[in-house]
Amino acid sequence: SQELEQSPQSLIVQEGKNLTINCTSSKTLYGLYWYKQKYGEGLIFLMMLQKGGEEKSHEKITAKLDEKKQQSSLHITASQPSHAGIYLCGADIMKTSYDKVIFGPGTSLSVIP
Amino acid sequence: SQTIHQWPATLVQPVGSPLSLECTVEGTSNPNLYWYRQAAGRGLQLLFYSVGIGQISSEVPQNLSASRPQDRQFILSSKKLLLSDSGFYLCAWSLGTASNQPQHFGDGTRLSIL
Repeated sequence: SQELEQSPQSLIVQEGKNLTINCTSSKTLYGLYWYKQKYGEGLIFLMMLQKGGEEKSHEKITAKLDEKKQQSSLHITASQPSHAGIYLCGADIMKTSYDKVIFGPGTSLSVIP
Repeated sequence: SQTIHQWPATLVQPVGSPLSLECTVEGTSNPNLYWYRQAAGRGLQLLFYSVGIGQISSEVPQNLSASRPQDRQFILSSKKLLLSDSGFYLCAWSLGTASNQPQHFGDGTRLSIL
């Protein structure tokens, strides 16, 4: 099994609808990152969360890290076609002395105009 | 501001041929550098990372190698490509540790082995 799980695997929503993507782990998430990827392109960094209960927003995207630091959610309000893509969460779950981020399998988002 | 360049964008190579993918970072010094491979429907798999010139750590035994000849240059190589080396390769850089600094990615190289 994956160390970072994401749900749902894919999502199709009507433009204007809200949606939530989840990222969960059985281990503590010491640094949690959200990225967006267009097919065939690199990952674009969205937000970083570090503290339990932390919440950050950028434009219509809000990310939260739960108090136990084992689950994060990404919420998009009033979705637009420009939000379409693959959303990946990544996290440092081992707090080792070197930089290793584990990534989830991704959630594919389609927004229908 | 920092930028990362990765090339080529796409590459088609025959089985058994050599490989060299290059990645350079501008606008920062002594970055941590990473090579990932992304297979269809799967997450990113860390292949190599480097915390300094000549310092390479391998995460997964494989047919590939990495080198860091200069502070901001990271090269992914193979002497003989296998069919299983096909995939989308991403280079990334970061400052700081995994728990407090995000990684920033290049645009990727789509490698197809025939």
